[in-house]
Amino acid sequence: AQTVTQSQPEMSVQEAETVTLSCTYDTSESDYYLFWYKQPPSRQMILVIRQEAYKQQNATENRFSVNFQKAAKSFSLKISDSQLGDAAMYFCAYAGNNRKLIWGLGTSLAVNP
Amino acid sequence: DTGVSQDPRHKITKRGQNVTFRCDPISEHNRLYWYRQTLGQGPEFLTYFQNEAQLEKSRLLSDRFSAERPKGSFSTLEIQRTEQGDSAMYLCASSLAGLDTQYFGPGTRLTVL
Repeated sequence: AQTVTQSQPEMSVQEAETVTLSCTYDTSESDYYLFWYKQPPSRQMILVIRQEAYKQQNATENRFSVNFQKAAKSFSLKISDSQLGDAAMYFCAYAGNNRKLIWGLGTSLAVNP
Repeated sequence: DTGVSQDPRHKITKRGQNVTFRCDPISEHNRLYWYRQTLGQGPEFLTYFQNEAQLEKSRLLSDRFSAERPKGSFSTLEIQRTEQGDSAMYLCASSLAGLDTQYFGPGTRLTVL
């Protein structure tokens, strides 16, 4: 069975600085997708970025980028120029052949002014 | 362009009562997913539909839970004889088969007293 592990329950970053959130996963599938979602307090789940496993190039979306290491089954999220609005719970998620999402436990990110 | 909507946003019920939640996906999306999220945890998969067909149901889901998606549009999730352990946030997401990115609604928070 596929699993997703986020080993950092909490992280903090100074405004305008860069922070990296870690995620590892385990799978025997070759075709899959990886996602980072953001969930602000009492608000809905928002897609941050997605990565197709067959693509070697790391996905980027404005200030958000990933470091996808397929052989190591690692998928970290880098947030550059952190803003107060980035404070949220960040979830790493895996979607395999059946496309249902398998989630990590999340990392709570605090942004300090 | 409206996103995924869910109704109600909050539901408080007494143990033993039945509850029903509704999800309206993004209009052109043919896949619809239900997840449950308890406090401090990542979401867990419950079930998903492609059009009106229910393709998978989690083994974690007891017989008290049922979901439908008549005509492949909106979906309902019913919980019969609610228990305190059912208290959670119920999330709905939709996607377009082939593109596979799931977009989430705001969730329905259920509290069972």
